[in-house]
Amino acid sequence: QISLKESGPTLVRPTQTLTLTCTFSGFSLSTSGVGVNWIRQSPGKALEWLALIYWDDGKRYSPSLRSRLSITKDTSKNQVVLTMTNMDPVDTATYTCAHLYRSGFDHWGQGIMVTVSS
Amino acid sequence: QTVVTQEPSLTVSPGGTVTLTCASSTGAVTSGYYPNWFQQKPGQAPRPLIYTVNNKHSWTPARFSGSLLGGKAALTLSNVQPEDEAEYYCLILNGGTWVFGGGTKLTVL
Repeated sequence: QISLKESGPTLVRPTQTLTLTCTFSGFSLSTSGVGVNWIRQSPGKALEWLALIYWDDGKRYSPSLRSRLSITKDTSKNQVVLTMTNMDPVDTATYTCAHLYRSGFDHWGQGIMVTVSS
Repeated sequence: QTVVTQEPSLTVSPGGTVTLTCASSTGAVTSGYYPNWFQQKPGQAPRPLIYTVNNKHSWTPARFSGSLLGGKAALTLSNVQPEDEAEYYCLILNGGTWVFGGGTKLTVL
């Protein structure tokens, strides 16, 4: 069965770069039509889509955060890495990765809470 | 930048039917927007319900259905149960990127 798990720092300082890893099992990111997304949710706020990487290494980013985001994959390790530069307290949120297949976001990780504070 | 609008809150009685909608600032939502719907309860990760307008996941209860209605994506809950009280989010594909709606808080009362 498909599972995803996020890992990374839970506390980052303002202006630092955040690096999060999504480690998954139960599918291959080399299979046609498959993608892995990153989504975040600030406390008490709505979900916000951040980025997506496809099986063919195609990448998509939220227009409002494009300049700060980078998404990469390591197919051999079953991992997807998201980096976000110049972190600010408003970026405090739970960051979650999700599996995409044929335009369905069908499996999600539990998320990792990241706090940005000095 | 695309804005996706949902009803902020709705209330329904147990056993009743309610429809939540999802509108795009860029125009009518069509099947090409591949709307997804999710249910989220406090402290939990979102639970996928519907993808590509009206396709259910294997775990989606039969009382949930998706459609296109009047230029919007719609999620209809029939025979609403108390456990359906939750926040519901739509997600659409627009211009190659995905956008979430602001969510609808559904109260079962």
